[in-house]
Amino acid sequence: GAVVSQHPSWVICKSGTSVKIECRSLDFQATTMFWYRQFPKQSLMLMATSNEGSKATYEQGVEKDKFLINHASLTLSTLTVTSAHPEDSSFYICSASGRASGEQFFGPGTRLTVL
Amino acid sequence: DAKTTQPTSMDCAEGRAANLPCNHSTISGNEYVYWYRQIHSQGPQYIIHGLKNNETNEMASLIITEDRKSSTLILPHATLRDTAVYYCIVLRSGNTGKLIFGQGTTLQVKP
Repeated sequence: GAVVSQHPSWVICKSGTSVKIECRSLDFQATTMFWYRQFPKQSLMLMATSNEGSKATYEQGVEKDKFLINHASLTLSTLTVTSAHPEDSSFYICSASGRASGEQFFGPGTRLTVL
Repeated sequence: DAKTTQPTSMDCAEGRAANLPCNHSTISGNEYVYWYRQIHSQGPQYIIHGLKNNETNEMASLIITEDRKSSTLILPHATLRDTAVYYCIVLRSGNTGKLIFGQGTTLQVKP
């Protein structure tokens, strides 16, 4: 199956700093990628839909100025958490669309801890 | 997209079949049933999807009732590595692919 990678797999940062997370489709081109967030013992929550070459579409309640998404190529989308605070500590997961509309290939996730 | 209802948790003995139910009584004619699973601290993994016919692949079988109001995911010979949270998601054909995850079923496979 298609492979999606994320980097870094985990990151610890100080409050107020910005953190960039990369999501790459390794063996296929992904015109659409998705970013999710997952808090402990909770389900995944969709944050935004990222389309190559255009602005991301954010879900209700997700601050677009805080979570900057860039999808500059067909194999790379990035999520930057700006001015991170402890409440932003979470497991961030990206996915890329497959052939069927609901088939998505997920990355392994990035665990962000903000001190 | 239609809402789904799944049991919170289930246990299964290793080597036995695991049958995970999902209720989607408000499903529309053009909505598919997708199943994903998430092993602890990993990204979700696609398992299978179907519209109205039963489907089978190397991972699992999907049985959809004739009225399409419910479905069952079957793992024929569960192993300890199948311990995970299983999500049943209904998605309209042609949807942009936005998956809305519910709470899912935590399947614990026991030796």
